[in-house]
Amino acid sequence: QSVLTQPPSASGAPGQRVTISCSGSISNIGSYTVSWYQQLPGTAPKLLIYSNNQRPSGVPDRVSGSRSGTSASLAISGLQSEDEADYYCAAWDDSLNDLVFGGGTKLTVL
Amino acid sequence: EVQLVQSGAEVKMPGESLKISCKGSGYTFTSYWIGWVRQIPGKGLEWMGIIYPTDSDTRYSPSFEGQVTISADKSIRTAYLQWSSLKASDTAMYYCARQSVQGVFFDYWGQGTLVTVSS
Repeated sequence: QSVLTQPPSASGAPGQRVTISCSGSISNIGSYTVSWYQQLPGTAPKLLIYSNNQRPSGVPDRVSGSRSGTSASLAISGLQSEDEADYYCAAWDDSLNDLVFGGGTKLTVL
Repeated sequence: EVQLVQSGAEVKMPGESLKISCKGSGYTFTSYWIGWVRQIPGKGLEWMGIIYPTDSDTRYSPSFEGQVTISADKSIRTAYLQWSSLKASDTAMYYCARQSVQGVFFDYWGQGTLVTVSS
């Protein structure tokens, strides 16, 4: 059972917009910034979003992140087949003294 | 170009010891924390701990404290993860990653080292 809760799966047709939620508590998302990682099949994770809504260079602007209270979300618009991957949220948790990850969401492009 | 290159896959028997490595290049190695993340096959990501190569200051996840040892040799720009006595439950992919100076997140990742523990 992960400290941060994500839906196990999400899907959308090419060109559509999909959002992935990440629910936490005051000790993690409520107090610290959220990062998101994309893991393509058989590869290492890649940073997608940091500090709730910042994109590293090279990440397209059709990817966005937001945080409100103790929840965060990742949005991907203009879905493409290459977006099929697992997506993980993460945040520091000061009650556990741990960097906690969500359980991951498998995104399928229909 | 920032790169983290990890050592190759390992197959070990229960009870054996193991040390895997992560070599950084393309940046000032001593200016960034290096972390380790476990991924059991088919499962999610778990933070194990981090080390600051400058002075080897190390922080462990409570879940992994006492189970593994994280170390670094700044002279050869390499971080390590080691076990003194492996268990079958240690079978997983292990990633090293560089923690950004901007916050608690990993901006660059190694390619992963698969550790298989089986009798």
